[in-house]
Amino acid sequence: SQKIEQNSEALNIQEGKTATLTCNYTNYSPAYLQWYRQDPGRGPVFLLLIRENEKEKRKERLKVTFDTTLKQSLFHITASQPADSATYLCALDPSNTGTASKLTFGTGTRLQVTL
Amino acid sequence: DTGVSQNPRHKITKRGQNVTFRCDPISEHNRLYWYRQTLGQGPEFLTYFQNEAQLEKSRLLSDRFSAERPKGSFSTLEIQRTEQGDSAMYLCASTLSTGIETQYFGPGTRLLVL
Repeated sequence: SQKIEQNSEALNIQEGKTATLTCNYTNYSPAYLQWYRQDPGRGPVFLLLIRENEKEKRKERLKVTFDTTLKQSLFHITASQPADSATYLCALDPSNTGTASKLTFGTGTRLQVTL
Repeated sequence: DTGVSQNPRHKITKRGQNVTFRCDPISEHNRLYWYRQTLGQGPEFLTYFQNEAQLEKSRLLSDRFSAERPKGSFSTLEIQRTEQGDSAMYLCASTLSTGIETQYFGPGTRLLVL
């Protein structure tokens, strides 16, 4: 069966450290993968998209890697801040058409950054 | 505010009642999606429109659910004869169908069925 798995347990880290979140998928061949941030009671907000032919993508303190052999994406936040505390969702287009007909999301990982 | 808006933000209803939610997408976006999210889970796809055409419906969408997008602008999602299992956050998102596009989500409508 098709699955997208993210760490179900909350990740607690100290301010200034690097947070690393994992997204593993099974029985998909996505052309790209996206990461979203979701705060309590709000809709997801897009952060980064990485395509299958890209190994790594960066945006400010964020970095995403995509390993299609391992079927895994890693999401890193460097120099983390309490304001980074949120749930982070990975998502992919299950149809592999590359035309964003819909997204399938993982369950999300809650990140808590403490002082 | 030019983002995606949803109304109402919260809805409490009794089992068996009908409810209707509205989504106003970003004005130039021709694709509109509905998702449902329960506590501790990621959003689950329900249906999507390209302009006024409903192109795909999830198996999650029972006969009690219906969505429309008249004139390809705002969309409504109606749930008839609500059940307690319908309690969830209903999210709307929009995008342009020009290739790989990120989706822009609204704040959601939280439904509680008593």
